[in-house]
Amino acid sequence: QVQLVQSGAEVKKPGASVKVSCKASGYTFTSHGISWVRQAPGQGLEWMGWITYYNGNPSYAQKFQGRVTLTTDTSTTTAYMELRSLRSDDTAVYYCARERDPFARSSLDYWGQGTLVTVST
Amino acid sequence: DIVMTQSPDSLAVSLGERATINCKSSQSVFYSSDNKNYLAWFQQKLGQPPKLLIYWASTRESGVPDRFSGGGSGTDFTLTISSLQAEDVAVYYCQQYFGTPQTFGQGTKVEIK
Repeated sequence: QVQLVQSGAEVKKPGASVKVSCKASGYTFTSHGISWVRQAPGQGLEWMGWITYYNGNPSYAQKFQGRVTLTTDTSTTTAYMELRSLRSDDTAVYYCARERDPFARSSLDYWGQGTLVTVST
Repeated sequence: DIVMTQSPDSLAVSLGERATINCKSSQSVFYSSDNKNYLAWFQQKLGQPPKLLIYWASTRESGVPDRFSGGGSGTDFTLTISSLQAEDVAVYYCQQYFGTPQTFGQGTKVEIK
């Protein structure tokens, strides 16, 4: 069965970086894209970016350009999201999610359990 | 960016009654080349990740009860719960995956009256 298992909660100071991992299993990793979505406490969902193995370069929301890097390691079927220059308003639960259809832009059918990143002095 | 606006922000419906959520996009999310609306609906319960209910605006995800249905095209979409059950209490989000960035509506909270 398809599973996305994320790394554990993090506490970071302002200005630091965080790298969240998302271990995928149960499907052909290189056939489906992975999106990253975050949710601040009590708030809605915010799409950060998308990475596919089949389509080359990752794509980022303008809001995060220059601060976020999405990567994948096909040998371990793991996706990573690194966010730099953290601020207090980056405190959120970060989710990875799989694109439903192989080799195509599509909806997000499987989600990781979420990783809480807290930015605080 | 495509702005997604849901209405209402919250609604309370009696058990067994119909619940309807609206979602409007600031530009069309219909792609004529494949005749598809790039619009999905998610359900999120407290403390859980979102769950995909509907994709391509009207296709129900496997395992989703048939009381959930999606409709609309272009810029105006609806999610209908035909007979509300207690387990449907949640926040519902629409999302467009037509443009980059992908964007979500602000969410609609569904409660039992």
